[in-house]
Amino acid sequence: AQSVTQLDSQVPVFEEAPVELRCNYSSSVSVYLFWYVQYPNQGLQLLLKYLSGSTLVKGINGFEAEFNKSQTSFHLRKPSVHISDTAEYFCAVGETSGSRLTFGEGTQLTVNP
Amino acid sequence: DTAVSQTPKYLVTQMGNDKSIKCEQNLGHDTMYWYKQDSKKFLKIMFSYNNKELIINETVPNRFSPKSPDKAHLNLHINSLELGDSAVYFCASSLWVSGELFFGEGSRLTVL
Repeated sequence: AQSVTQLDSQVPVFEEAPVELRCNYSSSVSVYLFWYVQYPNQGLQLLLKYLSGSTLVKGINGFEAEFNKSQTSFHLRKPSVHISDTAEYFCAVGETSGSRLTFGEGTQLTVNP
Repeated sequence: DTAVSQTPKYLVTQMGNDKSIKCEQNLGHDTMYWYKQDSKKFLKIMFSYNNKELIINETVPNRFSPKSPDKAHLNLHINSLELGDSAVYFCASSLWVSGELFFGEGSRLTVL
């Protein structure tokens, strides 16, 4: 069975600074990888996904992530954050063999002025 | 047009009561889910249905009973509510089991 670890539970940054939210996964087979964002009092929405192909994936709102198979990581990055990026971010993994998605415990990104 | 909609958005009730949450998706997906998000934001899968058939049933008290009348609807009924049931319950759907999930906006249940 797969598992996901989000290495930071909270990440405070200043506006316009770069940010990286770290995600490591464990699986014995090929995987699909996702990042979701949850704004306060809302549901989760997809930021980006890796299914196959290019390991650098671009998503909405200027976010991107890189799939690193050898390090089993899928870190999320943004070169310059805005106050509006303040939210909870979830990494998720699913196995191509058809298992359900497993979510990490979330990282609270707080962007300060 | 909302893709995954769930009602009600807020539920406040007393311990011991029974309540239901309804979910509908208009994406044409075959698989639907119920997730529970606790106060620490941890997401835990509860149930999943594929084409009206139960395929995932996590360790959930049998006070929780899902029902899928058709593949576009998945309801959750909770009997004898307890304080620990207070959480946000999310409905979601996907085209296939390990594919991208589309979430509803959540139903916040508060048990007093």
